[in-house]
Amino acid sequence: AQSVAQPEDQVNVAEGNPLTVKCTYSVSGNPYLFWYVQYPNRGLQFLLKYITGDNLVKGSYGFEAEFNKSQTSFHLKKPSALVSDSALYFCAVRVGGYQKVTFGTGTKLQVIP
Amino acid sequence: EAQVTQNPRYLITVTGKKLTVTCSQNMNHEYMSWYRQDPGLGLRQIYYSMNVEVTDKGDVPEGYKVSRKEKRNFPLILESPSPNQTSLYFCASSLGGTGLDLRKEPQYFGPGTRLLVL
Repeated sequence: AQSVAQPEDQVNVAEGNPLTVKCTYSVSGNPYLFWYVQYPNRGLQFLLKYITGDNLVKGSYGFEAEFNKSQTSFHLKKPSALVSDSALYFCAVRVGGYQKVTFGTGTKLQVIP
Repeated sequence: EAQVTQNPRYLITVTGKKLTVTCSQNMNHEYMSWYRQDPGLGLRQIYYSMNVEVTDKGDVPEGYKVSRKEKRNFPLILESPSPNQTSLYFCASSLGGTGLDLRKEPQYFGPGTRLLVL
């Protein structure tokens, strides 16, 4: 069975500082990994995905994520946080041959002015 | 505008009273799915549909039904709602179909339906 873990319920970071939101996964097979963001009272929006190839993927709003196969991780990063980045972030995995999607429990990012 | 719409956005009901939450997408997507979001549990998949008349269970299907009679619509039906189905529900869609690798496609989410079952 596939699973995703987001070990931090909340991450606080000062505006202008780099941010990292952690995600680890457990699958049998090659993973297809996604990050989504949820702003208050809104649905989830797609940020970026890792399918294959370069381990550093770039996405929307200046976010990027680093895929690490040996550590089974897919951490979300941004060099300089903005107050407007404050939101709930979800990591998700889709395994080849399966149509199900498994989400993590979410990490609330709070960027402090 | 490409979008996924859900109705109603907010619903308060009582135990046992059948209800339907509608979901519609205008992107000609073949894959559609329903999720529930609960604090501390993240999003959990209820049902998904690969195409018209093709549906399958997700991780938490008990107490729910779905149908996919048209490509654009994927209603979620609660035949006899119970308080433990109080939650925030999201519909989502993504590209699929012959020649396209569904695994690579991101999902587009509706705005959510907040349901309270008394």
